[in-house]
Amino acid sequence: GENVEQHPSTLSVQEGDSAVIKCTYSDSASNYFPWYKQELGKRPQLIIDIRSNVGEKKDQRIAVTLNKTAKHFSLHITETQPEDSAVYFCAARWSSASKIIFGSGTRLSIRP
Amino acid sequence: DTEVTQTPKHLVMGMTNKKSLKCEQHMGHRAMYWYKQKAKKPPELMFVYSYEKLSINESVPSRFSPECPNSSLLNLHLHALQPEDSALYLCASSQEGTGTGNEQYFGPGTRLTVT
Repeated sequence: GENVEQHPSTLSVQEGDSAVIKCTYSDSASNYFPWYKQELGKRPQLIIDIRSNVGEKKDQRIAVTLNKTAKHFSLHITETQPEDSAVYFCAARWSSASKIIFGSGTRLSIRP
Repeated sequence: DTEVTQTPKHLVMGMTNKKSLKCEQHMGHRAMYWYKQKAKKPPELMFVYSYEKLSINESVPSRFSPECPNSSLLNLHLHALQPEDSALYLCASSQEGTGTGNEQYFGPGTRLTVT
């Protein structure tokens, strides 16, 4: 069935260090994988996405990698800053319908 | 303009009330979505409208009734809700299609409390 698994559920890193969040998906035909950042009390905001014809995409301190064979994708944040503290959701677009399925979320805390 | 707006920001209603949530976008997007989000959980899809027609209903109880009056507006009519329906209700929009334009943009949400 439709499923996106996300790990870890919580992550605490020292300011300046890197953070990695991993997701796996079940639909091998999924072709679009967005990542959302949600700060407390605010809307989910799209921070980066990747399509199935690309293996890696980078935007400043944020990068996403996709391994289609293994059906997993990861978010990498380098040189973390206090403002990176938030809940991060991965998602995958379901091939058979116009919808995306969200992972369960990762609460990222940046220690000063 | 890459903004999706929602009104009201907060809503408190009794179980016998009828109320409506409103969502608007002016990005020319042809797909619009309603999500429900409980605390510490991901957004949970409720409805999808594509070209102003309901294309997905995720088995949502009939006390929630969506409406898409035109390509820019999306409403969610609420009637006889239960306390467990209290949540953040998020609207989102995206271009239609399986290629580029899958990006969903979320509104700020309506925080609903059912008493």
